[in-house]
Amino acid sequence: EVQLVESEGGLVKPGGSLRVSCAASGFSFSSAWLNWVRQAPGKGLEWVGQIRSRVDGGSSDLAAPVKGRFTISRDDSKNMLYLHMSSLRTEDTGVYFCSTGWSAAAHDGYWGQGTLVTVSS
Amino acid sequence: DIQMTQSPSSLSASVGDTVTIPCRASQDIRDALGWFQQKPGKTPKRLIYHASSLQSGVPTRFSGSGSGTEFTLTISSLQPEDFATYYCLQYNTYPFTFGPGTKVDIK
Repeated sequence: EVQLVESEGGLVKPGGSLRVSCAASGFSFSSAWLNWVRQAPGKGLEWVGQIRSRVDGGSSDLAAPVKGRFTISRDDSKNMLYLHMSSLRTEDTGVYFCSTGWSAAAHDGYWGQGTLVTVSS
Repeated sequence: DIQMTQSPSSLSASVGDTVTIPCRASQDIRDALGWFQQKPGKTPKRLIYHASSLQSGVPTRFSGSGSGTEFTLTISSLQPEDFATYYCLQYNTYPFTFGPGTKVDIK
């Protein structure tokens, strides 16, 4: 069974940094492309970024609002996905979800339960 | 960036109705489109990928169609547990983009 479990988020001051992680199990993590998606309070879903599998290059793509401030990384030895957030702004407040890929692999289409990140002074 | 539009933003329906939810892309995205269901306070759930393929475990009353720029999610014989918000996502071109969602509520 595919499982994705995000770490606890937290309250951060504007300009601060935070790392959230996502522990994966139940599938071949090293071959999976992985995503971060966020949802501001009362708003819709917003794609944050994606990281490719190592065999497919291991690079990442990020949405414009977070490019230069957020990075995505993975540790295939630990089945862990990370979202490193810096220069946080109040508009980054929301629930952050990790997910597997969007394609047709058996492990694609699954989401974690989400973690709340609040950016406020 | 590719813009995804979903109109209407909400619709009312009754149990047993057939509901169609449209999604339009601002550019050709071939069939790189997914549909997601989200209930209040819950994690989104993928229903459809590649525009028309049913996610494993999803009831067959859900179906997707379309390609290029016009897509539709159809729910046949709406059930009480189907009242939720539905989002489309294009994953043909970076940055990937979600539609704003269509909320299906009880008439």
